[in-house]
Amino acid sequence: TQLLEQSPQFLSIQEGENLTVYCNSSSVFSSLQWYRQEPGEGPVLLVTVVTGGEVKKLKRLTFQFGDARKDSSLHITAAQPGDTGLYLCAGAPSNSGYALNFGKGTSLLVTP
Amino acid sequence: DSGVTQTPKHLITATGQRVTLRCSPRSGDLSVYWYQQSLDQGLQFLIQYYNGEERAKGNILERFSAQQFPDLHSELNLSSLELGDSALYFCASNKGGATNYEQYFGPGTRLTVT
Repeated sequence: TQLLEQSPQFLSIQEGENLTVYCNSSSVFSSLQWYRQEPGEGPVLLVTVVTGGEVKKLKRLTFQFGDARKDSSLHITAAQPGDTGLYLCAGAPSNSGYALNFGKGTSLLVTP
Repeated sequence: DSGVTQTPKHLITATGQRVTLRCSPRSGDLSVYWYQQSLDQGLQFLIQYYNGEERAKGNILERFSAQQFPDLHSELNLSSLELGDSALYFCASNKGGATNYEQYFGPGTRLTVT
């Protein structure tokens, strides 16, 4: 069973559009991280959210951690082709140590 | 560049064989994590070492083993390889402290078992 469910699985949009991807779980997390991965490369850390209700911004990317620390979202404003990639959420459930559970990811394609 | 290095980049071998994947963590990091990524399963945690000691185990097969050496580099040994072991294998590192959640990934080793 997948601890973290991501949706949508695939997303194809045009440059300039906005989008939101979701990461949901029934478990409580100490923190959640978002990574972006390009084909054949390792995931690159984008952000970590720790506090329930926390919102973090990274240029055109806005990350939110749910109040109950069970879910998170990533919103991209005015998407660009350079945003194309696999977006992964990951977290270690509370009291389970530091090994990360990963969602299966949202594959985003932004076309010019 | 995350500062985590992995060798080799690609590995092609036959079923039944044994291979060793190598990882050097970022400077100053004490903890190393190994993950397997396949198309259908996504990124799966295999095992974690902290300062030379095994700290956590995930979905690691008995045919797989790992160790972390005094210089903190780590090796993942895969034996009696099967076709289903073909995947990307990633190593990640961090300082490993109680509030250290973020992990930094290497470029991966692509293993193909034929």
